Amino acid sequence: GQSLEQPSEVTAVEGAIVQINCTYQTSGFYGLSWYQQHDGGAPTFLSYNALDGLEETGRFSSFLSRSDSYGYLLLQELQMKDSASYFCAVGTGRRALTFGSGTRLQVQP
Amino acid sequence: DTAVSQTPKYLVTQMGNDKSIKCEQNLGHDTMYWYKQDSKKFLKIMFSYNNKELIINETVPNRFSPKSPDKAHLNLHINSLELGDSAVYFCASSQSGTVTLQLQYFGPGTRLTVT
Repeated sequence: GQSLEQPSEVTAVEGAIVQINCTYQTSGFYGLSWYQQHDGGAPTFLSYNALDGLEETGRFSSFLSRSDSYGYLLLQELQMKDSASYFCAVGTGRRALTFGSGTRLQVQP
Repeated sequence: DTAVSQTPKYLVTQMGNDKSIKCEQNLGHDTMYWYKQDSKKFLKIMFSYNNKELIINETVPNRFSPKSPDKAHLNLHINSLELGDSAVYFCASSQSGTVTLQLQYFGPGTRLTVT
């Protein structure tokens, strides 16, 4: 089966940098994705890593280490609007994603 | 134009009733999904359809019956609703393929409340 672990909650201040970690155990692995969900909203895709290393998209970066079954999402220059839940998800060839339980990020002024 | 749409957005009903949720995507994707998100925000796959064919059917009670009339539509019918069915149900779509299925587009969700 698949399991993913991520912290339940993270708090940071505006302008800071925050890292949300995700460790996974899967049978088969086709990549690690990150999704953002604001309260009352739908999950939206942020980034995807299939290979080891860092992917950067604006203020957001995502990192993957397949040998460690570990990845993280890095959010820089935090803004109030970044307050949301962040989910890591793995693709395992089952033709569906398995999501982690989500990390609630609270950005304080 | 909305990429993935769901109706209704809110659904309040009594135990024992039967209800349906409809989903449509205009992205030309060949794979559609139903997810259930509980009160703790855990997002769990229920069903996956690829070109109208059921691919994944997780351990979901058979009171839940999905139907895909064509690859742009995926509906969910729920019989004999129970209190534990209260949740937000999300429809999503993507292209099939080990890489492209990682980029899923979600509908706005249907908040189902069973009283």
